[in-house]
Amino acid sequence: DAKTTQPPSMDCAEGRAANLPCNHSTISGNEYVYWYRQIHSQGPQYIIHGLKNNETNEMASLIITEDRKSSTLILPHATLRDTAVYYCIVRDNYGGSQGNLIFGKGTKLSVKP
Amino acid sequence: DAGVIQSPRHEVTEMGQEVTLRCKPISGHNSLFWYRQTMMRGLELLIYFNNNVPIDDSGMPEDRFSAKMPNASFSTLKIQPSEPRDSAVYFCASTRDRAGSPLHFGNGTRLTVT
Repeated sequence: DAKTTQPPSMDCAEGRAANLPCNHSTISGNEYVYWYRQIHSQGPQYIIHGLKNNETNEMASLIITEDRKSSTLILPHATLRDTAVYYCIVRDNYGGSQGNLIFGKGTKLSVKP
Repeated sequence: DAGVIQSPRHEVTEMGQEVTLRCKPISGHNSLFWYRQTMMRGLELLIYFNNNVPIDDSGMPEDRFSAKMPNASFSTLKIQPSEPRDSAVYFCASTRDRAGSPLHFGNGTRLTVT
């Protein structure tokens, strides 16, 4: 079972920031938070991941609360092309054997003009 | 850089036929994953390999499904015999076996079994 909880859908106006929340209250110390998105008929696309600290890259920012029980993905200036299903996943990276990604239902983000 | 390459992109076959899906991981990646996506069940892990060795195949639905990774640059997922309920999009993903390395997915094979 997925270890995360996300709202099923969200709307965002084009050009505004999209803030996608995720709860992962049972996260353990060695688990990272990953965000992926899937645009219709394409493979899941990696966006960003983090362990404890906030992270930023060219696509998005990831804000992780101090207790690590929740996080927020921020798309600073959403465009119509950001319409997709966004998945928040916690994944164990400890040891040599890679933990797999367990996908939940994600959040369907609709960016509207 | 070339990403994960899957072939074919689409496959339509009749029930009972053998189906082989192919995947070329990103060069230098030593872990490979096969996922299946349906409307009802979402994205499910079928099997994953580390250094060409199957590590966890508990997601493989039944004996009709088999996967191989003969070398670091190629993997196959075979269904024999195929059934209509196998219709789905099958994704392959790869990553480096290193803490914090993300999985990178191919664009999938859409399988339709009639």
